[in-house]
Amino acid sequence: AQSVTQLDSQVPVFEEAPVELRCNYSSSVSVYLFWYVQYPNQGLQLLLKYLSGSTLVKGINGFEAEFNKSQTSFHLRKPSVHISDTAEYFCAVSLNSGGYQKVTFGIGTKLQVIP
Amino acid sequence: EPEVTQTPSHQVTQMGQEVILRCVPISNHLYFYWYRQILGQKVEFLVSFYNNEISEKSEIFDDQFSVERPDGSNFTLKIRSTKLEDSAMYFCASSESHTVNIQYFGAGTRLSVL
Repeated sequence: AQSVTQLDSQVPVFEEAPVELRCNYSSSVSVYLFWYVQYPNQGLQLLLKYLSGSTLVKGINGFEAEFNKSQTSFHLRKPSVHISDTAEYFCAVSLNSGGYQKVTFGIGTKLQVIP
Repeated sequence: EPEVTQTPSHQVTQMGQEVILRCVPISNHLYFYWYRQILGQKVEFLVSFYNNEISEKSEIFDDQFSVERPDGSNFTLKIRSTKLEDSAMYFCASSESHTVNIQYFGAGTRLSVL
């Protein structure tokens, strides 16, 4: 079974500063990796995904993540955050075998951007 | 841009009552899912549905839960006799492909059981 660990439950950061949200996963087989964002009182929006190919993936709103197979990590980064980035961010994984594979989520990291 | 639509956004019910949560997946998607998020906890998988039958279900998805695709567009989650611990945000998701599983989520239905 796969699992996801998000080490930081909350990350405060000043506006225009860089941020990294950490994610580690565990799986005995190949996986797809995702980051979802949940703005206050809203649903889960797909931020970016790693399926195959280049280990650096770019997503919406200037976010990017790097897949590191040896460290089983998929950290999310943004070089300069904005107030509107305040949200909860979920790292997620599903098995790389197609079809109806469930997505397993991490506990989430709350990003608080401070003006 | 196509999106998954869920109704209602908030459902309040009395313990022991039946509730039906509704979802309209993205139109060309073939795989459908329900997840739930109890306040302060992880988003948890409940059930996946394909070709008019359950593909996989978690241990949470007991006999009190059922899913149905009553027509070509809707996908519903029924809880027969709600308990206080069923209070949560319920998310519907859908995915298109049997080769690449990218799931798109709805905005959720907040279920409050009193």
